[in-house]
Amino acid sequence: EVQLVQSGAEVKKPGEPLRISCKGSGYDFKKYWISWVRQTPGKGLEWMGRIDPSDSYTEYSPSFQGRVTMSVDESINTAYLQWRSLKASDTGMFFCARHQRGSGGYTYATFDYWGQGGLVTVSS
Amino acid sequence: DIQMTQSPSTLSESVGDRVTITCRASQTIIDWLAWYQQKPGKAPKLLIYKASTLESGVPSRFSGSASGTEFTLTISSLQPDDFATYYCQQYNTSPFTFGQGTKLEIK
Repeated sequence: EVQLVQSGAEVKKPGEPLRISCKGSGYDFKKYWISWVRQTPGKGLEWMGRIDPSDSYTEYSPSFQGRVTMSVDESINTAYLQWRSLKASDTGMFFCARHQRGSGGYTYATFDYWGQGGLVTVSS
Repeated sequence: DIQMTQSPSTLSESVGDRVTITCRASQTIIDWLAWYQQKPGKAPKLLIYKASTLESGVPSRFSGSASGTEFTLTISSLQPDDFATYYCQQYNTSPFTFGQGTKLEIK
């Protein structure tokens, strides 16, 4: 069974660093890109960017470029999303999601499996 | 960025009703359009991709169609499990963008 299991909720202060995780199981982790999606009441669902676990190539949305860093540790089938210095505006629910792959091996930017979500609250 | 505009924002319907939700793209996305269902406290679930292809395991009462930059999700006969929020997403051009959501409520 394919599963993406995320780390738990976090409460942080502005200026603090944070790394959240997403562990994949039940499939070949290296073969499927992982995206991160933020959900907030004000802006809804926002695609933040994606990482290819096979070579750690990343692509970021301009809205999040420079604010977050995506990485993977393929030895433990885990993807990470990190911030060096949090702001209150980083508050939200964060989901990792697996990209769909077609029968020919092509990767699409649709998301067939999702993590359960992790709430990040940044407040002084 | 490509803007995705869903309508209506909220829909109140009864079990057994036929429901249509519309999503309009601000520019051409060909048919690179997906629909997701989200229930409170849960992650979105993929229903339809490439505008009209049903994801494996999704009931056949769900269907999707496209006409230019306008896309439609139809539920042929609402079931109790279908009351949720629905989102469209374009994946023609990065950054990939979602509609603001349509909340389907029980009348």
